[in-house]
Amino acid sequence: EVQLVETGGGLIQPGGSLRLSCAASGFTVSRNYMSWVRQAPGKGLEWVSVIYSDGSTNYADSVKGRFTISRDSPKNTLYLQMNSLRVEDTAVYYCARGSSTWYDFDYWGQGTLVTVSS
Amino acid sequence: SYVLTQPPSVSVAPGKTARITCGGNNIGSKSVHWYQQKPGQAPVLVIYNDSDRPSGIPERFSASNSGNTATLTISRVEAGDEADYYCQVWDSSSDHVVFGGGTKLTAL
Repeated sequence: EVQLVETGGGLIQPGGSLRLSCAASGFTVSRNYMSWVRQAPGKGLEWVSVIYSDGSTNYADSVKGRFTISRDSPKNTLYLQMNSLRVEDTAVYYCARGSSTWYDFDYWGQGTLVTVSS
Repeated sequence: SYVLTQPPSVSVAPGKTARITCGGNNIGSKSVHWYQQKPGQAPVLVIYNDSDRPSGIPERFSASNSGNTATLTISRVEAGDEADYYCQVWDSSSDHVVFGGGTKLTAL
């Protein structure tokens, strides 16, 4: 059974850093297209970042240069390192498994809340 | 950057058919995916590749994509279908995933 479990969210001051983790089971993270998607309170879904099976990455303009996506193959875990956090980064962050054929997301984690506030 | 436009809300009587649109420039040339999100829950994929249903999704959910509009159709709407629905594409020119703004479906 495919499962994704995010951890690492919490309250952080503006300018601070946080690392989110997404532990996967039932499939191999490094063989899949994996993304982070966030949702600000009461708002819609916003794509954040992707890591492809070949290790290449891409980012939304809103986080480029501040966030870094990575993975640990032995731990079968996806990460999102978030630096220089802003109030507008406040959101529930979901990790999602994608299809590199159609670029859809067939499995999602339950999400972890990041609150950036002084 | 590529933009997807959805109506903020759609209302339909139970048992009737709901249609949720997703507009984008020449969206018919892209693969469109649809997600259902209920309050406090993660999104669930209900349609991928324009019109394919993942296993476990009822046949009442169907979709089409042509020209500048993709449409999600939910037949015989039930109270349990009340949720936010999002369309999504991959924009090859920027290698970015794009979501529509979401549509709140209400069963009157």
